[in-house]
Amino acid sequence: DAGITQSPRYKITETGRQVTLMCHQTWSHSYMFWYRQDLGHGLRLIYYSAAADITDKGEVPDGYVVSRSKTENFPLTLESATRSQTSVYFCASGANRGQPQHFGDGTRLSIL
Amino acid sequence: AQSVTQLGSHVSVSEGALVLLRCNYSSSVPPYLFWYVQYPNQGLQLLLKYTSAATLVKGINDFEAEFKKSETSFHLTKPSAHMSDAAEYFCALYSGGGADGLTFGKGTHLIIQP
Repeated sequence: DAGITQSPRYKITETGRQVTLMCHQTWSHSYMFWYRQDLGHGLRLIYYSAAADITDKGEVPDGYVVSRSKTENFPLTLESATRSQTSVYFCASGANRGQPQHFGDGTRLSIL
Repeated sequence: AQSVTQLGSHVSVSEGALVLLRCNYSSSVPPYLFWYVQYPNQGLQLLLKYTSAATLVKGINDFEAEFKKSETSFHLTKPSAHMSDAAEYFCALYSGGGADGLTFGKGTHLIIQP
């Protein structure tokens, strides 16, 4: 089935560790996005990508790194995790700018 | 910069009653507007979208929203609430003026009373 898959669904790690969240979509959408969801803030854009090898910062990019070597994958890396990065992370994809985005089920990340 | 304001972090209605979730936006250019629903431990699902065509937009599960430029609003309504409508609802905006992602409101938790 076509869709967007995030892994892992749950992750617990310690401050200072590197952690990578995976995102894979089967629609061949050009655009992919990473958001974080925190109580009282809704969803905030971390990074996005308009195509393979093209990425750009969103509202809250500090402490995160992304890459997009293939259209279908858009991993998000926390190079040195901090407690403030404890959150639920959502990956999304869209056919074009302004088009509805399709969301994965999220990764709940806890940093101790 | 664009922004989205959802009035009321929690809204409670009785089963069978009208659902009204409020969304106001700020954008320097004509926006695209979306309503999403989120059930516990799931991602967001699109309910409906406004992309500068008809101002009254119909979505899934009898939800609809009306774009009112003069009021900068995009309120979500449903004539008769069902228990299964209990969820978190997000209004979101795309204006194309900056990053290509969506700007979200903080969400409204809809509670359905039996």
